[in-house]
Amino acid sequence: DIQMTQSPSTLSASVGDRVTITCRASQSISSWLAWYQQKPGKAPKVLIYKTSTLESGVPSRFSGSGSGTEFTLTISSLQPDDSATYYCQQYNSYWTFGQGTKVEIK
Amino acid sequence: EVQLLESGGGLVQPGGSLRLSCAASGFTFTSYAMSWVRLTPGKGLEWVSTVSATGETTYYADSVKGRFTISRDNSMNTLYLQMNSLRAGDTALYYCAKGAVAGTSGWFDPWGQGALVTVSS
Repeated sequence: DIQMTQSPSTLSASVGDRVTITCRASQSISSWLAWYQQKPGKAPKVLIYKTSTLESGVPSRFSGSGSGTEFTLTISSLQPDDSATYYCQQYNSYWTFGQGTKVEIK
Repeated sequence: EVQLLESGGGLVQPGGSLRLSCAASGFTFTSYAMSWVRLTPGKGLEWVSTVSATGETTYYADSVKGRFTISRDNSMNTLYLQMNSLRAGDTALYYCAKGAVAGTSGWFDPWGQGALVTVSS
């Protein structure tokens, strides 16, 4: 089974900061990685798929990069609405989620 | 607009059974794989099970294999999850999710609002 390790588990940053979340796969998943945003009481929403393709309607301050086993989600300028938990998901072999990163606004 | 509406959650004793349903609308149900994913406070999101568009192929996480059964009724546009031998560790909010791309599984989009399952005596 492919394990996904996400870091950090929590981060606190100020509005306007550049924020980076890392996701590592236990084996190569090529580019088959998605990122989701989940706010309390809401369903997860896909932000990025195939490592770097932005879902329609998602603000351009979100971007994804990586390949193989190491991936990143970057928020170029953190906004108050970005307070949420973010999950990576591999879909190369079955499906596995990272443990999540809770992003808080200072 | 795609809509996924879960039902069937509730409180059940350890060892008991429960069946979740997910009524789908707004897309060609027969063209998409469908999945169940659960959310627990301690573990975050955990993929549970996926069924192919035709219903012929099913996949399960090791944690539920042999206890849960995923199925679909393509004539009713409904997805199911039969959960047997439930344990306290199965307590979670269970989401129904649609495969994002027809004919493949890939990532999940969109998701329903979830059905809460509580396993407790």
